[in-house]
Amino acid sequence: EDKVVQSPLSLVVHEGDTVTLNCSYEVTNFRSLLWYKQEKKAPTFLFMLTSSGIEKKSGRLSSILDKKELSSILNITATQTGDSAIYLCAVGAYTGANSKLTFGKGITLSVRP
Amino acid sequence: ETGVTQTPRHLVMGMTNKKSLKCEQHLGHNAMYWYKQSAKKPLELMFVYNFKEQTENNSVPSRFSPECPNSSHLFLHLHTLQPEDSALYLCASSLGLAGNTEAFFGQGTRLTVV
Repeated sequence: EDKVVQSPLSLVVHEGDTVTLNCSYEVTNFRSLLWYKQEKKAPTFLFMLTSSGIEKKSGRLSSILDKKELSSILNITATQTGDSAIYLCAVGAYTGANSKLTFGKGITLSVRP
Repeated sequence: ETGVTQTPRHLVMGMTNKKSLKCEQHLGHNAMYWYKQSAKKPLELMFVYNFKEQTENNSVPSRFSPECPNSSHLFLHLHTLQPEDSALYLCASSLGLAGNTEAFFGQGTRLTVV
């Protein structure tokens, strides 16, 4: 059974800090790893990493995929209170003719002023 | 705003009621999904539709019945639910299959079964 584990489960930091969120996975027929930010209800897409794109950056957020270690990190620099959210990691894998996403439990990040 | 709209946003229903959740997207996506999100648990995939055809039913009880009349609309019909079915139900869509392209989520329906 495919498995995605995120750590830590929750984190409290102060504005301006840098945080690193971790995601490790065990899946058969890996296709991609995705990061989402969930503030209230709808998870919003951040990054998708694949074998052909193992590093992505957008503003203060960046993510790296380590296919050898079967893991990924999401870095947020100079954190702001608006970064407070649940960060979800999902892994896409082929299932025969289809593919599916398996999600981790999420990491709750709280950024204090 | 992700382009995926779910209604209603909140729903309280009794165990003997029948209700339906609605999802629509006008992003031109071909795949649509229902996920269940319970407290302290990962998002659980329930159903996948690709080009209106159901391609995955993740061992979901028959009291949940999906319907996909076209590529833009997805319904989840609910009947005789249990209190443990209370959760956030999220709809998502993607251009290709999930994992090949990113999925976009709706705001969800917060369901409470009493």
